[in-house]
Amino acid sequence: SQTIHQWPATLVQPVGSPLSLECTVEGTSNPNLYWYRQAAGRGLQLLFYSVGIGQISSEVPQNLSASRPQDRQFILSSKKLLLSDSGFYLCAWSGGMLNSPLHFGNGTRLTVT
Amino acid sequence: AQKVTQAQTEISVVEKEDVTLDCVYETRDTTYYLFWYKQPPSGELVFLIRRNSFDEQNEISGRYSWNFQKSTSSFNFTITASQVVDSAVYFCALSDDDTGFQKLVFGTGTRLLVSP
Repeated sequence: SQTIHQWPATLVQPVGSPLSLECTVEGTSNPNLYWYRQAAGRGLQLLFYSVGIGQISSEVPQNLSASRPQDRQFILSSKKLLLSDSGFYLCAWSGGMLNSPLHFGNGTRLTVT
Repeated sequence: AQKVTQAQTEISVVEKEDVTLDCVYETRDTTYYLFWYKQPPSGELVFLIRRNSFDEQNEISGRYSWNFQKSTSSFNFTITASQVVDSAVYFCALSDDDTGFQKLVFGTGTRLLVSP
């Protein structure tokens, strides 16, 4: 069966520090991968999605970037964190069919101080 | 543009009560998909159901049921005989992208509190 792992679970970082969140998927090949952010009291916002290695699409201009160095690995990064980057970050994967649901990781709660 | 509205921010019920979570969506596409996800206190989102725009049959899964009405652009979710374990934030989402990517647009969620 497919599983998705996301780490770390929680992170407290000072403003201006770098960020690296990692997500890996097991049990499937060539998944579509996604990064979502959930700000406090708000819905989920799609940040990035990827259909393959090295292929990244950005939905919202921001202080973040994403990379996919391997088929089942998706990384969210920032060179210098802002206070507004605080939130709950969720990685997800889906199959290639239009009606394939998203399957989410457990999320990373990021607090920028 | 796509939009999902969950007007109920928070609902509190007592165990065994029935509760309906409302979802209204907007899209210009004729082909689209609707989803419900559950986010328990632990944080992960759990997929509950997907429905495509050509299938207006209501669905029942145990205590859960979904009412899809294209005429009112609604996809409401009912929990029958609610239980404390149903306490969570529930998100309705829409996808009308035809490239195969699930670029879901989420509502802001409804927090359901079920007390014993």
